[in-house]
Amino acid sequence: QKEVEQNSGPLSVPEGAIASLNCTYSDRGSQSFFWYRQYSGKSPELIMSIYSNGDKEDGRFTAQLNKASQYVSLLIRDSQPSDSATYLCAVKQVGNEKLTFGTGTRLTIIP
Amino acid sequence: GAVVSQHPSWVICKSGTSVKIECRSLDFQATTMFWYRQFPKQSLMLMATSNEGSKATYEQGVEKDKFLINHASLTLSTLTVTSAHPEDSSFYICSAESGRDYGYTFGSGTRLTVV
Repeated sequence: QKEVEQNSGPLSVPEGAIASLNCTYSDRGSQSFFWYRQYSGKSPELIMSIYSNGDKEDGRFTAQLNKASQYVSLLIRDSQPSDSATYLCAVKQVGNEKLTFGTGTRLTIIP
Repeated sequence: GAVVSQHPSWVICKSGTSVKIECRSLDFQATTMFWYRQFPKQSLMLMATSNEGSKATYEQGVEKDKFLINHASLTLSTLTVTSAHPEDSSFYICSAESGRDYGYTFGSGTRLTVV
């Protein structure tokens, strides 16, 4: 079982709709969770970080964390073509400096 | 916000030569930096963890003698690809933990092409 799992996609969503990205992790000791966006040929940029159970909203983005079920999700409201990218879920475990990344979900917003 | 500067953004070198990539934290101190490699259409692969003032920790399968890492100060880490070969052509990215609010910040990456 991979430590951090994401559906590789591609996920296609019409412009203006809600895009839902999911991620599961295997280590219950994980404490910090991040969503990164990576455009083709570019380095990842941080979209959201979340540390506690529940929802965290920032503009059109909402991160959701459920530690009991070991999943974290990212919702993108009012999807725009500029949201088309690969979204990487990353998890930090207690006592470990490293981030563990999922393989990423490729999202395409269809105009 | 936290900024990590990476240089050069791209480099072409001849097979057998060495290439140095620099990673600087501009507005924060980074005791630890991370070096990743990414091949086309693949995810990030952690190569090594760079620790200021001490030896780097390499991931399994990464040749420490080929990928030399130096972290001489709290704001600078370098990766030197020694005796580069075409199979080393890849996108190399550094990152550093920049605080709770910013998570881990990535440099802009270096695209290395070995010909």
